[in-house]
Amino acid sequence: ELKVEQNPLFLSMQEGKNYTIYCNYSTTSDRLYWYRQDPGKSLESLFVLLSNGAVKQEGRLMASLDTKARLSTLHITAAVHDLSATYFCAVEYGQNFVFGPGTRLSVLP
Amino acid sequence: NAGVTQTPKFQVLKTGQSMTLQCAQDMNHEYMSWYRQDPGMGLRLIHYSVGAGITDQGEVPNGYNVSRSTTEDFPLRLLLAAPSQTSVYFCASKPLSGTGIYYGYTFGSGTRLTVV
Repeated sequence: ELKVEQNPLFLSMQEGKNYTIYCNYSTTSDRLYWYRQDPGKSLESLFVLLSNGAVKQEGRLMASLDTKARLSTLHITAAVHDLSATYFCAVEYGQNFVFGPGTRLSVLP
Repeated sequence: NAGVTQTPKFQVLKTGQSMTLQCAQDMNHEYMSWYRQDPGMGLRLIHYSVGAGITDQGEVPNGYNVSRSTTEDFPLRLLLAAPSQTSVYFCASKPLSGTGIYYGYTFGSGTRLTVV
């Protein structure tokens, strides 16, 4: 059975600072996805990582995947308040996705 | 494109009542699924389908029933509602894995269900 963990679960950071969210998983998979969820809203796709060493960047967010270590990172550069949300990683397992518990990010002025 | 449409957005049920959550997609996706989201637990898979006439159980199927008579629709039925089923429910669809098309799930807007 695939287990997906994220840390930290809660992150409060100052605007302008950098930080990394970690997603690790227990069983081999080559595909990992990152989602963002605003309070009371649905999930929005951020990144699709399809192979070992994949790196994707969008604005202040950069995601990477190391399938050998079973680890993905979501790096935040120079955080701004608009990035406040909950971030989920999801690992593809057969036809389904297994989600991590989410990291709730608050960016403070 | 409408994407994935879920109805209703909000619902309050009494214990023991039954209801159906509707999900429809217009992207011709073979795969559809239902997840529930509870605080601190991420999203947990209830049931999924890889095509019309094919359904299977996920991690937390008890108390729920599904059917898939068309590619577009995948309703979720709560048989005898219980307070433990209070949650936010999301329907999601995607192309089948192994087809070479990978862009993840498209989610519906969610249904917030309270069972009293």
